[in-house]
Amino acid sequence: GENVEQHPSTLSVQEGDSAVIKCTYSDSASNYFPWYKQELGKRPQLIIDIRSNVGEKKDQRIAVTLNKTAKHFSLHITETQPEDSAVYFCAATRSNDYKLSFGAGTTVTVRA
Amino acid sequence: GAGVSQSPSNKVTEKGKDVELRCDPISGHTALYWYRQSLGQGLEFLIYFQGNSAPDKSGLPSDRFSAERTGGSVSTLTIQRTQQEDSAVYLCASSLALAGYNEQFFGPGTRLTVL
Repeated sequence: GENVEQHPSTLSVQEGDSAVIKCTYSDSASNYFPWYKQELGKRPQLIIDIRSNVGEKKDQRIAVTLNKTAKHFSLHITETQPEDSAVYFCAATRSNDYKLSFGAGTTVTVRA
Repeated sequence: GAGVSQSPSNKVTEKGKDVELRCDPISGHTALYWYRQSLGQGLEFLIYFQGNSAPDKSGLPSDRFSAERTGGSVSTLTIQRTQQEDSAVYLCASSLALAGYNEQFFGPGTRLTVL
């Protein structure tokens, strides 16, 4: 089955700086990579996703990059703000599969 | 519209007791998933439903865990003879259809504490 590793486990950044979270996956057939954000005490919510037919996707201050050859993908948050403080989870799956395999999560703290 | 709801939000039980956790998916979503989130850990997949059918139960941690879904809507996750290691947040999610490109919408979770 798919195995997703996520680094770092915790990340502290100064407000306005960038944050980068990296994930690797094991199944070369995986072709869908969503990112979920979970604020303290709240439910996980999808913030961005990428399919394997593109190398990068951007939505305002967040972007995701995918390197299929190396089997890794990354989340980039620019101009971080206090409301970006949360746990971020990466996940991977095949589009014809039902099961999302999640990374262990990264706790991001944005310091004012 | 209404999102995924779960009840109860918190459940404290004594070791050895049975518990039932309920999930109400978004109306019209055919796929439903259960996950477990232990403190500081990622999301562990437990089981999924396509309609009322659960083709793969291999993610359930032990035979004390079971789940059912009726009418293609509400699902219950039952844990029999609870153990302390069952303490976790149990999350339910639903999606419009099964498989990868469909966003999974999560419920708020049920925090289970086994004393």
